[in-house]
Amino acid sequence: DAGVIQSPRHEVTEMGQEVTLRCKPISGHDYLFWYRQTMMRGLELLIYFNNNVPIDDSGMPEDRFSAKMPNASFSTLKIQPSEPRDSAVYFCASSRLVFGTDTQYFGPGTRLTVL
Amino acid sequence: DQQVKQNSPSLSVQEGRISILNCDYTNSMFDYFLWYKKYPAEGPTFLISISSIKDKNEDGRFTVFLNKSAKHLSLHIVPSQPGDSAVYFCAASYNNDMRFGAGTRLTVKP
Repeated sequence: DAGVIQSPRHEVTEMGQEVTLRCKPISGHDYLFWYRQTMMRGLELLIYFNNNVPIDDSGMPEDRFSAKMPNASFSTLKIQPSEPRDSAVYFCASSRLVFGTDTQYFGPGTRLTVL
Repeated sequence: DQQVKQNSPSLSVQEGRISILNCDYTNSMFDYFLWYKKYPAEGPTFLISISSIKDKNEDGRFTVFLNKSAKHLSLHIVPSQPGDSAVYFCAASYNNDMRFGAGTRLTVKP
C-alpha cells in the first residue's frame, strides 16, 4: 500500500486566494483525520470523518475552513479566503478504527504558505 | 487550551545514553496515550502506546511510563542512536477526542 497520499506537498498562495488540499487515505481505513501543525500549537485536530461522514469539526478554526469526503478514497480541505495566519503544515491521517484503538497513519503533509 | 503539554521543545543526548522525553496532561478522562515520531518532510509515524490500565509498556529500545496520579507520561529510549533524532509528539485520547503535544526535538549526537 502506498500509504496516505497528500497533494500538493507545497503550496504558496496570496492572501485572499482559495486553497484546496487533497488527501487519499489508505484503502480499507474507515476514519480520516485532518490536522494542522504550527510551531506554537503543535498538532491540532481540525476535523475527522467516519465512513465519509464528518463526525467532529469542532477543531476547524473558522468558517473559512471546510472539509469534504465525497467517497472513501478522497477528501479535501478548503480554505477560502486564505490568510497569512493559515500558514502551517496540514496533515491528513487515516485509521481503521477510532482514537485509542488503532494507529493513525499520517501522510507527508502539505506545507502551506500564505503571503 | 493545551491539554497535552511537552514542556521541553528540544533535547540533546549522546549516542548510547538514555533519552527521556516527558509529557504532561490535564484531562483525567484521557485513557489512551501514544507517542509519534516525525522526521523532517514526513508525516508523524506511530511509535508506542499505553492504555491507562497499565503503567509501563516496552517495545525494544522504547519504553513508555504512565503516572496517572501525576498525569504524566514519559518515553525512554535506551540506548539512543543517531537515527532516533526526530521530533517526538505525545498524544492522549478518550472517546472521540485526541490531543497532541507541541513536540520535542530530540538530537542524538554520535
